[in-house]
Amino acid sequence: DQQVKQNSPSLSVQEGRISILNCDYTNSMFDYFLWYKKYPAEGPTFLISISSIKDKNEDGRFTVFLNKSAKHLSLHIVPSQPGDSAVYFCAATSSGANNLFFGTGTRLTVIP
Amino acid sequence: EAQVTQNPRYLITVTGKKLTVTCSQNMNHEYMSWYRQDPGLGLRQIYYSMNVEVTDKGDVPEGYKVSRKEKRNFPLILESPSPNQTSLYFCASSLAGPSSYNEQFFGPGTRLTVL
Repeated sequence: DQQVKQNSPSLSVQEGRISILNCDYTNSMFDYFLWYKKYPAEGPTFLISISSIKDKNEDGRFTVFLNKSAKHLSLHIVPSQPGDSAVYFCAATSSGANNLFFGTGTRLTVIP
Repeated sequence: EAQVTQNPRYLITVTGKKLTVTCSQNMNHEYMSWYRQDPGLGLRQIYYSMNVEVTDKGDVPEGYKVSRKEKRNFPLILESPSPNQTSLYFCASSLAGPSSYNEQFFGPGTRLTVL
């Protein structure tokens, strides 16, 4: 059973606008969350992370929000750029765990 | 350059013919892992290794074997490949395991087709 879910397989956004990618999880033990970006023919690359002691983490144009009570996190990209077009995966793990659980991915297309 | 390398990048094989996909990292990372990516299923962990001679199953280990005889290498072995193992495979490494809040570095992927 998928413990990390990304319910939107795809998202299209105009250049300059905000992109919001969503991720839900079911395991309440998860306490560290990551976002990875993947371009075609390349491996995923780390983008941003957040630990459960925070509800927001910001890095330049990228901000991740965590809502522990709703078991939900989101990635905001502002402003969106054409180079942000990629597949985005969220991932989660917990203290003491050796596994990393990934979502199914959301394909973001930023339209120039 | 710090990197994770995988070979081959593309492989077409037939059912039952044993194959090995190699993975090597030059970052002196302790943790290494194999994932497969399938449409609609995202990335699923096959096996991981916390250090030399320490390996364990991930979510989907059936039909796969791994070994970790040296810190830098973590080959994935398919003893008798079947068509349902047709997938895109990624090797990844990190300084320590996920619970140490380390990001994983991924290789470029190996696209495997089993006929």
